[in-house]
Amino acid sequence: AQSVTQPDIHITVSEGASLELRCNYSYGATPYLFWYVQSPGQGLQLLLKYFSGDTLVQGIKGFEAEFKRSQSSFNLRKPSVHWSDAAEYFCAVGATVNMEYGNKLVFGAGTILRVKS
Amino acid sequence: DGGITQSPKYLFRKEGQNVTLSCEQNLNHDAMYWYRQDPGQGLRLIYYSQIVNDFQKGDIAEGYSVSREKKESFPLTVTSAQKNPTAFYLCASSRGRREGTDTQYFGPGTRLTVL
Repeated sequence: AQSVTQPDIHITVSEGASLELRCNYSYGATPYLFWYVQSPGQGLQLLLKYFSGDTLVQGIKGFEAEFKRSQSSFNLRKPSVHWSDAAEYFCAVGATVNMEYGNKLVFGAGTILRVKS
Repeated sequence: DGGITQSPKYLFRKEGQNVTLSCEQNLNHDAMYWYRQDPGQGLRLIYYSQIVNDFQKGDIAEGYSVSREKKESFPLTVTSAQKNPTAFYLCASSRGRREGTDTQYFGPGTRLTVL
């Protein structure tokens, strides 16, 4: 079964600074990979996803993520953070073939981003 | 506007009561999911349904039940058997992929508090 680790529970960055949120996964092959964002008390919004092809994926709100097979990572980046980016970010991994336990999405524990002015 | 709606936004329950959380989607998606979210634990899958009249248990199904009588609706009942039901509940849907995991889209959530 697949699994996801987000090593950082909290990250604080200054407004205008660059951001990188880490995500490491475990899966027997190249997985499907996702980043979602959640504002307090809200649902999850899809930022970007990787299924195949170019390993650098562009998403909404100026975010991008790079799939690195050799490091089993899918880190999320943004060159200049805005105060409105403060939220919780979740990395998720999915299977590329049908699994007997269902094709579920497995989520990391999340990283809370704080932005200081 | 296409999307997923969940109601109510806030729900309070007395111990020993069953409560039902509503989830409706007008995206014409085949698959629907229920997740539970607790602080610091990410999302955990409760139940999922890949097609009408069929559903499977997820990782934490004990104390919960679901039905899928209509494509657009996937209600979740939190029964009195659920020992610690206070949490944020999220519903999601996806088109239903023939092979592998599909992109899931989420509703706004319901916060359930047991008094």
